[in-house]
Amino acid sequence: EDKVVQSPLSLVVHEGDTVTLNCSYEVTNFRSLLWYKQEKKAPTFLFMLTSSGIEKKSGRLSSILDKKELFSILNITATQTGDSAIYLCATTQGGSEKLVFGKGTKLTVNP
Amino acid sequence: GAVVSQHPSRVICKSGTSVKIECRSLDFQATTMFWYRQFPKQSLMLMATSNEGSKATYEQGVEKDKFLINHASLTLSTLTVTSAHPEDSSFYICSARGQLNYGYTFGSGTRLTVV
Repeated sequence: EDKVVQSPLSLVVHEGDTVTLNCSYEVTNFRSLLWYKQEKKAPTFLFMLTSSGIEKKSGRLSSILDKKELFSILNITATQTGDSAIYLCATTQGGSEKLVFGKGTKLTVNP
Repeated sequence: GAVVSQHPSRVICKSGTSVKIECRSLDFQATTMFWYRQFPKQSLMLMATSNEGSKATYEQGVEKDKFLINHASLTLSTLTVTSAHPEDSSFYICSARGQLNYGYTFGSGTRLTVV
């Protein structure tokens, strides 16, 4: 069975801290891994990763994929209270348009 | 960028009634729509995938007669929860993908409460 596992499930930090969120996967015919941020409503897209070792960066957020070890990390530096959200990891597979989601990491950034 | 509009954002209905949720792609043609359900503190669970003009493909364990999905046009898909019960109370989110839009664009979600 295809699965996506995120860790930790919950994380509480102080403003200014750096956090690393983890996502491991076991899916057949893996094609890509996506990261989303979900606040109160719909998930918003952060990154899509398809190749190993290439870091994607957007401001204080960055992410990288390791296709050999089957995992990805999402880093957030100098966290702010506005980073508080659930971060979701999802994978796509060849021959299918479905996204397989992990359970998410709930990040709380305290002032 | 691609925008998906989902309505209503919140609905409260009586047990036994039906509720329709709409999902519209505003600036692209959505060849594929996905409907998810999310329980509190849990991830998005895919309910069904629909392609324009054809029947939806439901995930295992999802009752197709209870959750009716219609994708009659390239910009509109609807999910109807029929004969709703309190256990159907949940957060429902749609996602759309177009031929030219490789990404997955999510609607803002619908909070359904069945009383």
